[in-house]
Amino acid sequence: AQSVTQLGSHVSVSEGALVLLRCNYSSSVPPYLFWYVQYPNQGLQLLLKYTSAATLVKGINGFEAEFKKSETSFHLTKPSAHMSDAAEYFCAVSSTGANSKLTFGKGITLSVRP
Amino acid sequence: KAGVTQTPRYLIKTRGQQVTLSCSPISGHRSVSWYQQTPGQGLQFLFEYFSETQRNKGNFPGRFSGRQFSNSRSEMNVSTLELGDSALYLCATAEGWTNTGELFFGEGSRLTVL
Repeated sequence: AQSVTQLGSHVSVSEGALVLLRCNYSSSVPPYLFWYVQYPNQGLQLLLKYTSAATLVKGINGFEAEFKKSETSFHLTKPSAHMSDAAEYFCAVSSTGANSKLTFGKGITLSVRP
Repeated sequence: KAGVTQTPRYLIKTRGQQVTLSCSPISGHRSVSWYQQTPGQGLQFLFEYFSETQRNKGNFPGRFSGRQFSNSRSEMNVSTLELGDSALYLCATAEGWTNTGELFFGEGSRLTVL
């Protein structure tokens, strides 16, 4: 079985500050890892994904994430927060295999202060 | 290319009623997944269909059911509604199996059960 843990439900940063959203996963096989973003009153949108290629993955809107097998982590970062980054962020894990499905974490709400 | 379309966007039902939600995928997408989103539980996987076959199912009671048609459109049904079924129901589609690819989400159907 696979699972994702996103510590904390809310993160608040100042505009221009570093954004760090944490994600730890559990998987018995090599995982695929994803970060999705959900803006108010919208569906989710893929930010980036790790599928066993480079461990540092770059996504849209300046976000990136690093896969660390030893720490079972896939934290999301952005060097400088923008007001438009305020949204809910979900980490998700899946794996290869006929019966694998995408499992989401509970999400983290990012607030950006002016 | 048109996005994922979910109908209806909002609906209000009373306990004991049943509801049917519809999802029209992006053209060419053969996989449709359904998720229930609530503030306390995040995104909970309901089921996934691929080429009209249910490929995966989450841990929901039998009151929750779904199907996929030959044109890849999907419906989900909830019978004997309970207050706890109030949620945002999200549909996500993909070209292939959802565990390895990018999911495209609709804006959701917000169900309120009174």
